[in-house]
Amino acid sequence: QSALTQPASVSGSPGQSITISCTGTSSDIGDNNYVSWYQQHPGKAPKLMIFDVNDRPSGVSNRFSGSKSGNTASLTISGLQADDEADYYCSSYTNGITGVFGTGTKVTVL
Amino acid sequence: EVQLVESGGGLVQPGGSLRLACTASEFSFRIYWMTWVRQAPGKGLEWVANIKKDGSEKYYVDSVKGRFTISRDNAKNSLYLQMNGLRAEDTAVYYCAKGRLTFDYWGQGALVTVSS
Repeated sequence: QSALTQPASVSGSPGQSITISCTGTSSDIGDNNYVSWYQQHPGKAPKLMIFDVNDRPSGVSNRFSGSKSGNTASLTISGLQADDEADYYCSSYTNGITGVFGTGTKVTVL
Repeated sequence: EVQLVESGGGLVQPGGSLRLACTASEFSFRIYWMTWVRQAPGKGLEWVANIKKDGSEKYYVDSVKGRFTISRDNAKNSLYLQMNGLRAEDTAVYYCAKGRLTFDYWGQGALVTVSS
């Protein structure tokens, strides 16, 4: 049940695009299409941004998109905005039973 | 609007016990898996446990197996986490979340502090 690996930080200027990677194994990300991404602002509960690799919940901006290749999933934020500055976590499940989150990535808008 | 409200957090000594509750509203609680997720101070999210809609299946992260018990009461739209044998490393904000593989709604969290 090791955490999925994410870069500690990613930064970009307003209007730019950034991509956050999430690397797992053939027992989690590589084994299913249930990859989700969550945004968490300081002191707040996480918010679902992407589910099932590349689907967006109602109300989430289409500037957020997801993808997956092999054991690695990615979240892309296009047209970066100040309010996108937050922590982002990926998640999947492992061995078809238990959930697992990524280590988290702090996104900074320069 | 869907709401999840956690309660029962607090300060407890190492080795002690605590029971968290999560009360759900504005959705059909009984037809959804529910999950507990925790976040230690300044750290990332950690999946803790989940429970099937009828309570017949329960799964735990290795670090809490044998110490924590997840349960639910569908008649009361409530989810619980009984925590025994608490350790300093269990100190965290505990969130209840709706869902099994995707968590579309989260509570505001309950802080559990394990310290002497």
